[in-house]
Amino acid sequence: SSELTQDPAVSVALGQTVRITCQGDSIRRYYASWYQQKPGQAPVLVIYGKNNRPSGIPDRFSGSSSGNTTSLTITGAQAEDEADYYCNSRDSSGNLVVFGGGTKLTVL
Amino acid sequence: EVQLVESGGGLVKPGGSLRLSCAASGFTFSNYFMNWVRQAPGKGLEWVSSISSSSTYIYYADSVKGRFTISRDNAKNSLYLQMNSLRAEDTAVYYCARANPLRDHAFDIWGQGTLVTASS
Repeated sequence: SSELTQDPAVSVALGQTVRITCQGDSIRRYYASWYQQKPGQAPVLVIYGKNNRPSGIPDRFSGSSSGNTTSLTITGAQAEDEADYYCNSRDSSGNLVVFGGGTKLTVL
Repeated sequence: EVQLVESGGGLVKPGGSLRLSCAASGFTFSNYFMNWVRQAPGKGLEWVSSISSSSTYIYYADSVKGRFTISRDNAKNSLYLQMNSLRAEDTAVYYCARANPLRDHAFDIWGQGTLVTASS
């Protein structure tokens, strides 16, 4: 199996841009997805594939990847973006799923 | 409306068993890989198990292998998780989630979760 590493916490000033990263060997081979989770709620998919947003996700959310690192960028963060963010991908076998430890985003 | 609804959670003593269910609606259930993901109190998401559309392929996290069994009934649009030999560390909210092959197998639909508490 493989692991995905995320920074535990990140903060951003209202209206500014923030990047949340996720590192792991499997990122070199498989696309990662990003999920937003607010307290007491189920996770919501915000980015999948190379850089795709499900309908209803604001275009201030974007994704990118380079080497063993994938990133979620929020351009012009809003108060409602304050949440936990998780990446996931597959392990080296391609069969198992792995989640990053999560990043708590605070919007100041 | 595309929806997943979990049920079956509750309080169980360590060593006990519980069966979770996930009812799907609003999409062709039999076309999708399905998954269970759990979240211990105050902790992050942990993938538990996956099952292919026709149950041909089944995968488990090492933490539950040999104790949990995933299954599905496509005729009933339902996903199940049989949990045996429960431990305190299995205490978590359990979510079912759909993996969408058109979205690089991202988990695009999640249920609201059901709480399992393993405690004496």
